[in-house]
Amino acid sequence: KAGVTQTPRYLIKTRGQQVTLSCSPISGHRSVSWYQQTPGQGLQFLFEYFSETQRNKGNFPGRFSGRQFSNSRSEMNVSTLELGDSALYLCASSPSSSGLYEQYFGPGTRLTVT
Amino acid sequence: GEDVEQSLFLSVREGDSSVINCTYTDSSSTYLYWYKQEPGAGLQLLTYIFSNMDMKQDQRLTVLLNKKDKHLSLRIADTQTGDSAIYFCAESIGTYKYIFGTGTRLKVLA
Repeated sequence: KAGVTQTPRYLIKTRGQQVTLSCSPISGHRSVSWYQQTPGQGLQFLFEYFSETQRNKGNFPGRFSGRQFSNSRSEMNVSTLELGDSALYLCASSPSSSGLYEQYFGPGTRLTVT
Repeated sequence: GEDVEQSLFLSVREGDSSVINCTYTDSSSTYLYWYKQEPGAGLQLLTYIFSNMDMKQDQRLTVLLNKKDKHLSLRIADTQTGDSAIYFCAESIGTYKYIFGTGTRLKVLA
């Protein structure tokens, strides 16, 4: 099976712009989670979707949003970019809906905001 | 509150055993996990343990869980240079709430 894919892999944006990142989960996985990884804050949970519904959300401002499509592919959007949004954004998919929740990660999208 | 703490760095010699430790605060976790992140890559699930187990062995990896002290450890036997990476512990709480630790950078010296 193909792994989790994320596009683009690298992105450079300017403050104030918006950005959309895409994630294709492993075939058959219905749960998709997004994380922000920075050297200072570590791995921070953004949100999780299952069957097109957001089930859980981390502590991020409303500028961060996401959605999931009927084929389980997911996108996250960041509006009005700030310098502090520079990070590695990781997407993970899971075959589980509850209980043992193994996550399979994509390689990430490296976002740089200038 | 929910917090998962790990020491930042660990350095070992090739062939020795590595022990990476993790402490968590939420006692309602159902499963605990260990992930590995190599440079420029996402996280890779290494192993997991159900919260009512004390130990799990998986080839070179041994996971120990002390639920009373909320302490989780990962032992890597015969550590190799390819094991150099950042290791994250994580806990799942309920059905889909996931908390990652701060990560431990393991450096294996040849």
